[in-house]
This record gives sequence, structure tokens and C-alpha cells, in this order.
Amino acid sequence: DQQVKQNSPSLSVQEGRISILNCDYTNSMFDYFLWYKKYPAEGPTFLISISSIKDKNEDGRFTVFLNKSAKHLSLHIVPSQPGDSAVYFCAAWRGSNYKLTFGKGTLLTVNP
Amino acid sequence: EPEVTQTPSHQVTQMGQEVILRCVPISNHLYFYWYRQILGQKVEFLVSFYNNEISEKSEIFDDQFSVERPDGSNFTLKIRSTKLEDSAMYFCASRGEGNYGYTFGSGTRLTVV
Repeated sequence: DQQVKQNSPSLSVQEGRISILNCDYTNSMFDYFLWYKKYPAEGPTFLISISSIKDKNEDGRFTVFLNKSAKHLSLHIVPSQPGDSAVYFCAAWRGSNYKLTFGKGTLLTVNP
Repeated sequence: EPEVTQTPSHQVTQMGQEVILRCVPISNHLYFYWYRQILGQKVEFLVSFYNNEISEKSEIFDDQFSVERPDGSNFTLKIRSTKLEDSAMYFCASRGEGNYGYTFGSGTRLTVV
């Protein structure tokens, strides 16, 4: 039951370049989407979110884009920094239950 | 910055034994959760807890699992009779009213042998 899919298990980019992490979902009832970052031996840390009524949300170097018709969202990190190297999880919930459904994660490596 | 604290960080237990995983959520948060991640798999929802009762639970959260908020600060997950397949990283999380981004703890790695 893969309602949230992150098809790229890993991504490697050069410092200063753009990182684009992708996420697809199948459940059209999802109305809120979140990105979490996770370092080894730590819990997921909230990064940025977007409501289904928007198509873009920006916070500093991080921008999330939502394409509802394609059931696709992406996280852009510009410019990428070595400290951004982590596993990035896409997650979603619907309605007021706030129960997160996670993707499998993408390991981002930013090379100096 | 406020944190969610989980103890222990690593627990090894024999199959069939009971374990209690402990969490101290952020003090003014009202909603509490347990998630788990089996190695190599997704982070999965187990249970949500609000106003001293379970608000939702997943299929994973069977009769072997229970949660409790025994006092004003701790939130515990008990597994009554552990199985090998319970081996996973267990994450506690809490959320304030209107706060969309949960705060997760660092997790407890449970190893059942």
C-alpha cells in the first residue's frame, strides 16, 4: 500500500547546485503534504509543508511545489550545502486526523 | 528549542518479553503519536493519542500494544509479548494545537532476539 512514493532512493549533487527531490501520491484525499529531513540516529525533523490549496511554498533555500492534477510534489533546495546531506521523507495526511503517511525516503548527498 | 525525549535509545529483549518504550513529549503539546520504521522500510503510523485516549490506531497496533500517559509528562508504548518482527526503530512524536509539523524524538531502536 504505497500511497506516497519516492521513487529515487538516492540523489547526489554538487555543493551550490539545485537538489530536486520528487514524491508522488495516489490518495486524492490527501490535503496536506510535508517534507521531513532525517540524519542518522535522529528522528525526522520537519522541514516545510504545503496545503493542497496551494501550488508553491517557499522557506529560505527550500521550496515545495505541488501539482495536484499529476499527484506530484517536489522539494527544491537551492543552493545545496553539504549539511543538507540526509534522508528526505515526503509525507501526507488527510482531513483532521493528522496521521502521517510517509514515503520511503531519498538519501541526498551534497558533495563539497 | 523544545525536544521530544525518548528512552532508552537502544533496547535488546528476548522474544516473548514485555518492553516499555518511554517518551517525554513537549510540555504544551496535546497530541501524541508513535511511529515505527523497520530497517529498510517506511516510517509507519502506529497510534495517536489525545485527551487521554487513543484517537486512531493502525492495523499494526494489535492487542499486544498499548499506550499510556501515566502522569503529566510521560507517554509510553508497551509491547506485551515481543516478536522478532517487532524489531524496529520506534519514534515518539508530539504536536501542539494548530501545529502541523510534528516534533519527533530521536527514537528507540528495539531489537528482539
